[in-house]
Amino acid sequence: NAGVMQNPRHLVRRRGQEARLRCSPVKGHSHVYWYRQLPEEGLKFMVYLQKENIIDESGMPKERFSAEFPKEGPSILRIQQVVRGDSAAYFCASSPTVGSYNEQFFGPGTRLTVL
Amino acid sequence: EDKVVQSPLSLVVHEGDTVTLNCSYEVTNFRSLLWYKQEKKAPTFLFMLTSSGIEKKSGRLSSILDKKELFSILNITATQTGDSAVYLCAYANAGGTSYGKLTFGQGTILTVHP
Repeated sequence: NAGVMQNPRHLVRRRGQEARLRCSPVKGHSHVYWYRQLPEEGLKFMVYLQKENIIDESGMPKERFSAEFPKEGPSILRIQQVVRGDSAAYFCASSPTVGSYNEQFFGPGTRLTVL
Repeated sequence: EDKVVQSPLSLVVHEGDTVTLNCSYEVTNFRSLLWYKQEKKAPTFLFMLTSSGIEKKSGRLSSILDKKELFSILNITATQTGDSAVYLCAYANAGGTSYGKLTFGQGTILTVHP
């Protein structure tokens, strides 16, 4: 009974490269959330997706960042042309439904370091 | 603007002490308040509170919500070194596209010394 899985756990990129972060939600969960945690700060919401749809991307920077949750396969958070300020831990969470009071289950995170 | 404020930001205690962590919030469309424990990995769920005045307990941890005064507390009794972690408070929105999105406070860093 696997929980939320994220890979890679650690990712190092040079400035200007692309970073692709993957998240496989708990089996049967159709709602995925991405959060970013900068050093010494709390978790900040980035984007909320259901299968094939972006529901709320109000926390995502307008440029260089994109997210998808295809019908098949994991959710992907993509950061193009990374900069040092993108260095952070990126957490994915999933929930089975939004219509009831269910907590979100978090993955172990991907720690992105931009050199 | 909706926000969550936690206090204290950090706390150092000795094993056996009792601690109280505070979370106050200003939310226009409140659904529930959640507490998570974060060690050097994923936040792990502790409690979800939706109703005022009903205490939730899990072992040495307990939490309660006051929807009139807009705050919640997390109590840990007889602390152990394994309780050392960052404790995060978050609220979940109700309604609209923000439904389900969690907004977190900055966290309280708890250090328990032997």
